[in-house]
Amino acid sequence: DAGVIQSPRHEVTEMGQEVTLRCKPISGHNSLFWYRQTMMRGLELLIYFNNNVPIDDSGMPEDRFSAKMPNASFSTLKIQPSEPRDSAVYFCASSSGTVEQYFGPGTRLTVT
Amino acid sequence: GENVEQHPSTLSVQEGDSAVIKCTYSDSASNYFPWYKQELGKRPQLIIDIRSNVGEKKDQRIAVTLNKTAKHFSLHITETQPEDSAVYFCAASSSNNNDMRFGAGTRLTVKP
Repeated sequence: DAGVIQSPRHEVTEMGQEVTLRCKPISGHNSLFWYRQTMMRGLELLIYFNNNVPIDDSGMPEDRFSAKMPNASFSTLKIQPSEPRDSAVYFCASSSGTVEQYFGPGTRLTVT
Repeated sequence: GENVEQHPSTLSVQEGDSAVIKCTYSDSASNYFPWYKQELGKRPQLIIDIRSNVGEKKDQRIAVTLNKTAKHFSLHITETQPEDSAVYFCAASSSNNNDMRFGAGTRLTVKP
């Protein structure tokens, strides 16, 4: 298994632009999680899905952030419009319902 | 919701010494406590976990203890090696909701 796949690995964009981060969970996993990691705030859970359904999005910082999971093998996290304070590493993780989460390699986002 | 506190934020030990990292949690419903290791520029990776039905678990040089009454759990690394240097995160979640909350992390440095 290739593990959790995220793309792009690095993204540099200008303030105001739309950013879309992508995640492919491990095949057979039914839960998917989006995290944001910064030096100041550590590892924050943004949103998670069970069986493609968003369960808890209370961690999403504001309306500029949205996440979708149209099917069991794909999820997106979108930021529109992006701001410099959104610069962070965004991780996607998946689990099979046994709670252990497996992280993807992350997307390093820089908003200038 | 769950709140996880982790101490210390930084820890420096000599090679061969032991290292102990401690975490507390707030939600008595939490029953799953993983520990992740994150090397510089890499993804968090699960190194050991414990469920609330046991008080201690060992895996070679790593052990985790759990005190449900006091709501705290600890990571113990014995005979530390330079390659143990990384940031370690504790986390807590309930198998009922998959909502995992992470501690702020401990930066461990093992000096050769």
